[in-house]
Amino acid sequence: GAVVSQHPSRVICKSGTSVKIECRSLDFQATTMFWYRQFPKQSLMLMATSNEGSKATYEQGVEKDKFLINHASLTLSTLTVTSAHPEDSSFYICSASARQGHQPQHFGDGTRLSIL
Amino acid sequence: KNQVEQSPQSLIILEGKNCTLQCNYTVSPFSNLRWYKQDTGRGPVSLTIMTFSENTKSNGRYTATLDADTKQSSLHITASQLSDSASYICVVSANPDKLIFGTGTRLQVFP
Repeated sequence: GAVVSQHPSRVICKSGTSVKIECRSLDFQATTMFWYRQFPKQSLMLMATSNEGSKATYEQGVEKDKFLINHASLTLSTLTVTSAHPEDSSFYICSASARQGHQPQHFGDGTRLSIL
Repeated sequence: KNQVEQSPQSLIILEGKNCTLQCNYTVSPFSNLRWYKQDTGRGPVSLTIMTFSENTKSNGRYTATLDADTKQSSLHITASQLSDSASYICVVSANPDKLIFGTGTRLQVFP
């Protein structure tokens, strides 16, 4: 079946560092990719939606300059957490859909980000 | 307001027993309802997806039901195994495309 790969699976870094997370669709072309954030014992919260070749659409309250999203190809989207601080520590999950505007079926395995 | 509520919040059962998880939603318009399993530290994995016209759908030992009139869904797990320990998330898709996530039920299966 369709697979979404996320890398890295875990990042530990110092405050002020910028961290890039990659999300790849391995066996299908993902016209739309979604980035979620999940705090402990809470459900996934959508941060932004990115369509290949266009700017990402951010959810209310999500800083676009803080969380940079690039969806440069049909198989790759990246999320960069700029100048990360401890409050940015969280579990970040991407998902991908093969059909533009339709909801994702396939989630990545997540990236655990810990900012010291 | 579009909401998805799940119960119970957490559940402990013995290996081999059956259990049923509940999901109530107030999402309109409705497109489909999905159940996901999320192991600790992993991404969600789809178990079932049901549209408005479907009442039940099975995937191995997992059986989901949907009552679109009462806006309720359940996920029944038969003959539980230790590997079933995970969070189970009910997700309702609204039109236009938007996923509404439940807060999940944390299931623990003990030997």
